[in-house]
Amino acid sequence: EVQLVESGGGLVQPGGSLRLSCAASGFTFNGFWMSWVRQAPGKGLEWVASIRQDGREKYYVDSVKGRFTISRDNARESLSLQMNSLRADDTAVYYCATRSGSDWGQGSLVTVSS
Amino acid sequence: DVVMTQSPLSLPVTLGQPASISCRSSQSLVYSDGNTYLNWFQQRPGQSPRRLIYKVSNRDSGVPDRFTGSGSGTDFTLKISRVEAEDVGVYYCMQHTQWPHTFGQGTKLEIK
Repeated sequence: EVQLVESGGGLVQPGGSLRLSCAASGFTFNGFWMSWVRQAPGKGLEWVASIRQDGREKYYVDSVKGRFTISRDNARESLSLQMNSLRADDTAVYYCATRSGSDWGQGSLVTVSS
Repeated sequence: DVVMTQSPLSLPVTLGQPASISCRSSQSLVYSDGNTYLNWFQQRPGQSPRRLIYKVSNRDSGVPDRFTGSGSGTDFTLKISRVEAEDVGVYYCMQHTQWPHTFGQGTKLEIK
C-alpha cells in the first residue's frame, strides 16, 4: 500500500522558515517525479513544486521561486520542502503527491501569522 | 501559464441523475510524446484529493465505472452517469503537460 506521510507543519511568523518532510513507502520512490501541492483555507488546489527522480530537475510556481526549495533523499525515500521568507498568503495545507497525482499524503497545515 | 477553466463551479444534482463538468485549457495539452496529460480529481469534504481519471480518459483502479473522462486538445469533460451520495465533493481538473502544472478552480457537486 502506498503511503505518503507529511510532517513539519505549524505556526510561523511572517518572514520565518519551516521545513516540510514527506515519508514515502509502498512504491518505488526513486522511480517517480514528486510534487508539493497546497490548498489555502476554503480555496482550491495549487501546484507548488516538482522534482525529478534523480533530483536534478526542479520546477516551482512563480509565487514561491527564490523562497522555497524542493529536495529529495532517495535512500531514505523522503521528500522535503524548505520554505523561507514565509508570507501570510503561504498559509495552506501542503500535500506531498506524485507528479501525476496518483497518490497523496494527508496534508500538513502551515499557518503564517504574527 | 496554461489556464484551466472549469464550469460550472457549482453543480446541484438529484440522486440518480447524470452530471457533467467541463474543463477548458488556454493551450493544447498534447505533449510532444503524443500523450495528453489531463487528470481529474475528487476531493470529498475533509479528505485529501483522489485521482479519478488520468490522461483524459483512463479510470484509476477502484474508481466506479459511472465516472467517465473524455475530450482532446483544449476541451475536456468529466461525466458521472448516475450521481450517488458518496460523490459529493469538489472536482478538479489538472494539467501536467506544461510547467507550471495548473488546476482548474474546482466544481462543487452537491445533492439537490
